[in-house]
Amino acid sequence: AQTVTQSQPEMSVQEAETVTLSCTYDTSESDYYLFWYKQPPSRQMILVIRQEAYKQQNATENRFSVNFQKAAKSFSLKISDSQLGDAAMYFCAYRTPYNNNDMRFGAGTRLTVKP
Amino acid sequence: GAVVSQHPSWVICKSGTSVKIECRSLDFQATTMFWYRQFPKQSLMLMATSNEGSKATYEQGVEKDKFLINHASLTLSTLTVTSAHPEDSSFYICSAREVIHSYEQYFGPGTRLTVT
Repeated sequence: AQTVTQSQPEMSVQEAETVTLSCTYDTSESDYYLFWYKQPPSRQMILVIRQEAYKQQNATENRFSVNFQKAAKSFSLKISDSQLGDAAMYFCAYRTPYNNNDMRFGAGTRLTVKP
Repeated sequence: GAVVSQHPSWVICKSGTSVKIECRSLDFQATTMFWYRQFPKQSLMLMATSNEGSKATYEQGVEKDKFLINHASLTLSTLTVTSAHPEDSSFYICSAREVIHSYEQYFGPGTRLTVT
Protein backbone atom coordinates (compact mmCIF):
# COMPACT_ATOMS: atom_id res chain seq x y z
CA ALA A 1 0.00 0.00 0.00
CA GLN A 2 1.14 3.48 -0.73
CA THR A 3 2.04 5.63 2.24
CA VAL A 4 2.98 9.27 2.57
CA THR A 5 5.12 10.48 5.45
CA GLN A 6 5.59 14.04 6.64
CA SER A 7 8.07 13.97 9.49
CA GLN A 8 7.73 17.61 10.52
CA PRO A 9 4.52 18.24 12.49
CA GLU A 10 5.36 21.92 12.82
CA MET A 11 7.68 24.35 11.09
CA SER A 12 8.34 28.01 11.58
CA VAL A 13 9.84 30.59 9.24
CA GLN A 14 10.58 34.27 9.40
CA GLU A 15 8.73 36.46 6.95
CA ALA A 16 10.67 36.84 3.67
CA GLU A 17 12.84 33.83 4.46
CA THR A 18 12.82 30.40 2.84
CA VAL A 19 11.49 27.19 4.34
CA THR A 20 11.48 23.60 3.14
CA LEU A 21 8.82 21.06 4.07
CA SER A 22 9.72 17.39 3.79
CA CYS A 23 7.72 14.50 2.38
CA THR A 24 8.60 10.92 1.60
CA TYR A 25 6.41 8.26 0.11
CA ASP A 26 6.42 4.56 -0.51
CA THR A 27 5.16 2.99 -3.70
CA SER A 28 5.94 0.21 -6.13
CA GLU A 29 4.35 2.10 -9.02
CA SER A 30 6.43 3.85 -11.65
CA ASP A 31 3.76 6.29 -12.80
CA TYR A 32 2.05 8.52 -10.28
CA TYR A 33 1.35 12.09 -9.24
CA LEU A 34 2.51 14.00 -6.20
CA PHE A 35 0.86 17.07 -4.75
CA TRP A 36 1.25 19.68 -2.09
CA TYR A 37 -1.97 21.11 -0.68
CA LYS A 38 -2.39 24.07 1.62
CA GLN A 39 -5.19 24.12 4.18
CA PRO A 40 -5.64 27.54 5.80
CA PRO A 41 -7.89 28.10 8.84
CA SER A 42 -10.90 28.15 6.52
CA ARG A 43 -10.07 24.48 5.89
CA GLN A 44 -10.50 24.79 2.13
CA MET A 45 -7.94 22.56 0.46
CA ILE A 46 -5.88 24.58 -2.00
CA LEU A 47 -3.58 22.96 -4.55
CA VAL A 48 -0.12 24.48 -4.27
CA ILE A 49 1.84 22.41 -6.75
CA ARG A 50 1.71 19.16 -8.68
CA GLN A 51 4.45 16.89 -9.99
CA GLU A 52 4.11 14.07 -12.49
CA ALA A 53 6.53 11.26 -11.70
CA TYR A 54 7.57 10.81 -15.33
CA LYS A 55 8.83 14.38 -15.47
CA GLN A 56 12.41 14.85 -14.36
CA GLN A 57 12.09 18.60 -14.11
CA ASN A 58 11.00 19.88 -10.73
CA ALA A 59 7.69 21.73 -10.74
CA THR A 60 7.61 25.41 -9.79
CA GLU A 61 4.77 27.82 -9.15
CA ASN A 62 5.96 31.33 -8.41
CA ARG A 63 7.45 31.21 -4.88
CA PHE A 64 6.78 27.50 -4.52
CA SER A 65 9.06 24.81 -5.89
CA VAL A 66 9.64 21.16 -5.25
CA ASN A 67 12.68 18.92 -5.04
CA PHE A 68 11.52 15.64 -6.50
CA GLN A 69 13.91 12.75 -5.98
CA LYS A 70 12.22 9.72 -7.53
CA ALA A 71 14.83 7.16 -6.57
CA ALA A 72 14.80 8.35 -2.97
CA LYS A 73 11.00 8.71 -3.04
CA SER A 74 11.30 12.19 -1.68
CA PHE A 75 9.18 15.21 -2.54
CA SER A 76 9.99 18.36 -0.57
CA LEU A 77 8.35 21.77 -0.92
CA LYS A 78 10.37 24.96 -0.81
CA ILE A 79 8.62 28.22 -0.09
CA SER A 80 10.69 31.26 -0.93
CA ASP A 81 10.11 34.80 0.33
CA SER A 82 7.62 33.52 2.88
CA GLN A 83 4.56 35.66 3.45
CA LEU A 84 2.17 35.85 6.38
CA GLY A 85 -0.53 34.37 4.16
CA ASP A 86 1.52 31.22 3.73
CA ALA A 87 0.73 30.21 7.31
CA ALA A 88 -1.38 27.05 7.10
CA MET A 89 -1.36 23.28 7.27
CA TYR A 90 0.46 21.74 4.34
CA PHE A 91 -0.33 18.25 3.17
CA CYS A 92 1.74 16.14 0.84
CA ALA A 93 -0.35 13.76 -1.28
CA TYR A 94 0.14 10.90 -3.71
CA ARG A 95 -2.06 9.17 -6.24
CA THR A 96 -1.76 6.94 -9.26
CA PRO A 97 -3.22 7.94 -12.64
CA TYR A 98 -6.02 5.37 -12.46
CA ASN A 99 -9.31 7.18 -12.21
CA ASN A 100 -10.76 5.38 -9.23
CA ASN A 101 -7.67 5.58 -7.10
CA ASP A 102 -7.96 7.95 -4.22
CA MET A 103 -5.41 10.46 -3.05
CA ARG A 104 -3.27 9.48 -0.06
CA PHE A 105 -2.31 12.24 2.33
CA GLY A 106 0.51 12.70 4.76
CA ALA A 107 -0.14 13.74 8.34
CA GLY A 108 0.51 17.37 7.53
CA THR A 109 2.94 20.09 8.60
CA ARG A 110 1.72 23.22 10.34
CA LEU A 111 3.66 26.21 9.05
CA THR A 112 3.91 29.37 11.13
CA VAL A 113 5.22 32.57 9.57
CA LYS A 114 6.69 35.08 11.99
CA PRO A 115 6.55 38.79 11.11
CA GLY B 1 -10.79 27.02 -12.02
CA ALA B 2 -13.20 24.21 -11.30
CA VAL B 3 -15.43 24.67 -8.27
CA VAL B 4 -16.86 22.14 -5.88
CA SER B 5 -19.54 23.27 -3.47
CA GLN B 6 -20.81 21.65 -0.31
CA HIS B 7 -24.05 22.29 1.50
CA PRO B 8 -24.50 22.93 4.29
CA SER B 9 -21.22 24.39 5.45
CA TRP B 10 -22.16 23.84 9.07
CA VAL B 11 -24.89 21.74 10.63
CA ILE B 12 -25.93 20.89 14.16
CA CYS B 13 -28.22 17.95 14.72
CA LYS B 14 -29.51 15.98 17.65
CA SER B 15 -28.30 12.51 18.44
CA GLY B 16 -30.35 9.88 16.63
CA THR B 17 -31.33 12.04 13.69
CA SER B 18 -30.00 11.88 10.14
CA VAL B 19 -28.28 14.61 8.20
CA LYS B 20 -27.56 14.91 4.50
CA ILE B 21 -24.55 16.69 3.03
CA GLU B 22 -24.52 17.64 -0.65
CA CYS B 23 -21.45 17.90 -2.85
CA ARG B 24 -21.75 19.50 -6.28
CA SER B 25 -19.29 20.07 -9.08
CA LEU B 26 -20.42 23.43 -10.44
CA ASP B 27 -18.67 23.75 -13.77
CA PHE B 28 -17.41 20.31 -14.67
CA GLN B 29 -18.52 16.71 -14.75
CA ALA B 30 -17.16 14.38 -12.14
CA THR B 31 -17.22 10.65 -12.72
CA THR B 32 -15.65 10.00 -9.37
CA MET B 33 -16.23 11.69 -6.06
CA PHE B 34 -14.49 11.06 -2.78
CA TRP B 35 -15.66 11.68 0.77
CA TYR B 36 -13.12 12.43 3.47
CA ARG B 37 -13.37 12.94 7.18
CA GLN B 38 -11.01 15.18 9.08
CA PHE B 39 -10.68 15.35 12.84
CA PRO B 40 -9.12 18.45 14.44
CA LYS B 41 -5.42 18.78 13.74
CA GLN B 42 -5.38 15.58 11.74
CA SER B 43 -5.10 14.64 8.11
CA LEU B 44 -7.87 13.74 5.69
CA MET B 45 -9.04 10.17 5.96
CA LEU B 46 -10.85 8.67 3.00
CA MET B 47 -14.27 7.30 3.85
CA ALA B 48 -15.54 6.20 0.46
CA THR B 49 -15.22 6.52 -3.28
CA SER B 50 -18.29 6.89 -5.44
CA ASN B 51 -18.80 6.65 -9.18
CA GLU B 52 -21.83 8.08 -10.89
CA GLY B 53 -24.57 5.48 -11.12
CA SER B 54 -22.70 2.88 -9.07
CA LYS B 55 -22.56 1.86 -5.46
CA ALA B 56 -19.92 3.53 -3.39
CA THR B 57 -16.78 1.71 -2.29
CA TYR B 58 -16.15 2.15 1.40
CA GLU B 59 -12.84 2.09 3.19
CA GLN B 60 -12.23 -0.52 5.82
CA GLY B 61 -13.83 0.43 9.10
CA VAL B 62 -16.41 2.78 7.59
CA GLU B 63 -19.97 1.61 8.15
CA LYS B 64 -21.78 1.77 4.84
CA ASP B 65 -25.20 1.59 6.51
CA LYS B 66 -24.35 4.56 8.66
CA PHE B 67 -22.74 6.72 5.99
CA LEU B 68 -24.97 6.45 2.94
CA ILE B 69 -23.48 7.80 -0.26
CA ASN B 70 -25.46 8.45 -3.41
CA HIS B 71 -23.78 9.63 -6.60
CA ALA B 72 -26.90 10.25 -8.64
CA SER B 73 -25.41 12.38 -11.41
CA LEU B 74 -22.11 13.61 -12.79
CA THR B 75 -22.42 16.76 -10.72
CA LEU B 76 -23.97 15.64 -7.44
CA SER B 77 -23.03 13.28 -4.65
CA THR B 78 -24.66 13.13 -1.23
CA LEU B 79 -23.48 11.79 2.10
CA THR B 80 -26.16 10.95 4.64
CA VAL B 81 -25.12 10.33 8.21
CA THR B 82 -27.86 8.15 9.65
CA SER B 83 -28.71 7.95 13.35
CA ALA B 84 -25.97 10.39 14.14
CA HIS B 85 -24.07 10.20 17.42
CA PRO B 86 -21.73 12.71 19.05
CA GLU B 87 -18.71 10.68 17.89
CA ASP B 88 -19.80 11.40 14.30
CA SER B 89 -19.05 15.07 14.89
CA SER B 90 -16.30 15.97 12.48
CA PHE B 91 -15.37 17.91 9.38
CA TYR B 92 -16.47 16.22 6.17
CA ILE B 93 -14.83 17.11 2.86
CA CYS B 94 -15.85 15.97 -0.58
CA SER B 95 -13.64 15.93 -3.61
CA ALA B 96 -14.47 15.52 -7.27
CA ARG B 97 -12.33 14.28 -10.12
CA GLU B 98 -12.83 15.79 -13.53
CA VAL B 99 -13.69 13.50 -16.43
CA ILE B 100 -11.33 14.95 -19.02
CA HIS B 101 -8.27 15.72 -16.93
CA SER B 102 -8.30 12.73 -14.68
CA TYR B 103 -5.42 13.90 -12.58
CA GLU B 104 -7.26 17.03 -11.51
CA GLN B 105 -9.07 16.62 -8.23
CA TYR B 106 -10.97 19.47 -6.69
CA PHE B 107 -12.04 19.85 -3.08
CA GLY B 108 -15.18 21.26 -1.58
CA PRO B 109 -15.00 23.73 1.30
CA GLY B 110 -16.10 21.12 3.81
CA THR B 111 -19.03 20.65 6.16
CA ARG B 112 -18.72 20.86 9.91
CA LEU B 113 -21.10 18.43 11.60
CA THR B 114 -21.85 18.77 15.29
CA VAL B 115 -24.06 16.14 16.91
CA THR B 116 -25.48 17.09 20.29
